[in-house]
Amino acid sequence: AAGVIQSPRHLIKEKRETATLKCYPIPRHDTVYWYQQGPGQDPQFLISFYEKMQSDKGSIPDRFSAQQFSDYHSELNMSSLELGDSALYFCASSGTAQRDTQYFGPGTRLTVL
Amino acid sequence: AQSVTQLGSHVSVSEGALVLLRCNYSSSVPPYLFWYVQYPNQGLQLLLKYTTGATLVKGINGFEAEFKKSETSFHLTKPSAHMSDAAEYFCAVSTTDKLIFGTGTRLQVFP
Repeated sequence: AAGVIQSPRHLIKEKRETATLKCYPIPRHDTVYWYQQGPGQDPQFLISFYEKMQSDKGSIPDRFSAQQFSDYHSELNMSSLELGDSALYFCASSGTAQRDTQYFGPGTRLTVL
Repeated sequence: AQSVTQLGSHVSVSEGALVLLRCNYSSSVPPYLFWYVQYPNQGLQLLLKYTTGATLVKGINGFEAEFKKSETSFHLTKPSAHMSDAAEYFCAVSTTDKLIFGTGTRLQVFP
């Protein structure tokens, strides 16, 4: 079965640079969620989109923005990167058949130097 | 507000022994509860979930969990541990739009 696809899998950036993370949900899933997992931490909710509209917002810094496109893929844009942004960024998706269940992608590991 | 507490950040068992990972939740509404497993350098894989109905939930890889409302618990068990079960396990509670995770329990399995 098709899973959530995230790209890139690894990303290395310098401080103050920008980064764009991409997420392709499971086919026919209309909701996308972004989570940030710091080293040794539990995943923290950042933001979610349903049918291309922002549906909920968590602890996402103002330097970050995200959107969902007409094909339901989503992008997380991160600017003015800081050392503390180094983390694993997960995307998850859900669909109408199982709205209560989120399926996670493999994550993008961002390292800020 | 909803929250999850996982008791024990590390659990060690011998291969073949019972696995018990503890999770207690706090929720003002009937909760949806989940267990996810994370292998090193990998994403989160759904083990099992409780939404409504039967309180004993069976998941993948021989794991099961029981929703106990009176104890606000959703502990994860497996009768016999296997070396391949070594991983990080996260309990989570769902609100309408996001998962709230516990701090995780690292399971070690010794031969």
